[in-house]
Amino acid sequence: GEDVEQSLFLSVREGDSSVINCTYTDSSSTYLYWYKQEPGAGLQLLTYIFSNMDMKQDQRLTVLLNKKDKHLSLRIADTQTGDSAIYFCAESPGNTGKLIFGQGTTLQVKP
Amino acid sequence: DAGITQSPRHKVTETGTPVTLRCHQTENHRYMYWYRQDPGHGLRLIHYSYGVKDTDKGEVSDGYSVSRSKTEDFLLTLESATSSQTSVYFCAISEDEYNEQFFGPGTRLTVL
Repeated sequence: GEDVEQSLFLSVREGDSSVINCTYTDSSSTYLYWYKQEPGAGLQLLTYIFSNMDMKQDQRLTVLLNKKDKHLSLRIADTQTGDSAIYFCAESPGNTGKLIFGQGTTLQVKP
Repeated sequence: DAGITQSPRHKVTETGTPVTLRCHQTENHRYMYWYRQDPGHGLRLIHYSYGVKDTDKGEVSDGYSVSRSKTEDFLLTLESATSSQTSVYFCAISEDEYNEQFFGPGTRLTVL
């Protein structure tokens, strides 16, 4: 069935790189997404990657996609305290518009 | 920010009472979604709509109904609230099934 898995917690020091990992099950998703949720707020789309790409870079964010292993990662370079949030990966099986989310990874950034 | 509002933002109710949550958009987007967010589960889709009067079930639809009589409004109803429906409810919109979903600020519902 459809399932997206993430580790629940990551703690890094300010200035370090953060890597958040995700595994998914459905190979029909055309796009895979990373959303960010700050405390008390809704989700905001951070970035996405098209399924025929291996990597996408957007300023401090790098997304890596390994389709063979169904593994997605989000790297945040030079992590700042403002990056502290919950990060969700999501797939869209069959491109139906329905998103399947992982449990979310809480990123804690220590000064 | 995408023009999405949710009302109420917070609600406390008792088991067995009906509850209706409202999502309102000013973007004229075709797709609207209701999710619930619970610790350890991420967000799970309850129902979605792909047009006026066109709705379909998500993965956790039991105990919930929806209605969309106008493009801008998508209502989520709990006919008889239960404690297991205590959650944070998010509405989202998108232009179509391929595009980014924009999320509302959420409604925190507590069922006692």
